[in-house]
Amino acid sequence: DSGVTQTPKHLITATGQRVTLRCSPRSGDLSVYWYQQSLDQGLQFLIQYYNGEERAKGNILERFSAQQFPDLHSELNLSSLELGDSALYFCASSSSGGGEGNEQFFGPGTRLTVL
Amino acid sequence: GQSLEQPSEVTAVEGAIVQINCTYQTSGFYGLSWYQQHDGGAPTFLSYNALDGLEETGRFSSFLSRSDSYGYLLLQELQMKDSASYFCAVRDGDSGTYKYIFGTGTRLKVLA
Repeated sequence: DSGVTQTPKHLITATGQRVTLRCSPRSGDLSVYWYQQSLDQGLQFLIQYYNGEERAKGNILERFSAQQFPDLHSELNLSSLELGDSALYFCASSSSGGGEGNEQFFGPGTRLTVL
Repeated sequence: GQSLEQPSEVTAVEGAIVQINCTYQTSGFYGLSWYQQHDGGAPTFLSYNALDGLEETGRFSSFLSRSDSYGYLLLQELQMKDSASYFCAVRDGDSGTYKYIFGTGTRLKVLA
């Protein structure tokens, strides 16, 4: 158990809908990262927040947005969902702001299925 | 563009030694990390190399050559539980604008 929690574990929805994925980092960690992993694919970095502020941005679609709240939990919002958005979404956390080699601790993931 | 290349699959027998290579091309380099992911599970951190050379952690070792833009993960005394996917990863870009890039993963099959 990494100490990172994600809810829900599974989510099934229809195209065009909007969903929110939630992540609570390990106690004391200030950075939260979001990744997307499609079937048999590597991890695609979406976005990183550090202490409430956006720190780094990957290939995140405009239909996707995220935020980190004062209590450091984070939410990833996915809107106008398409079939191709079906994937496993991981949240990770770390103690530092993204410094070199900082170990990221991954949550169990949320499996999103868009029908 | 930025990229990481690693073999898609490696097979070895229990007790053997296996090496998983990773070559990278980035605009800014801050070190190479390795993660392990079992089927249906979350990635877990294995190692990190910022400087050239070998880092050893138990049965696992990781090597980096910055001049060759190359690194590898070495797994010794293979066990069945080592069957998993292994990803190399880098932080690409400078301190102002960066992102994390993961390789497509190497699936390791350990045979009895």
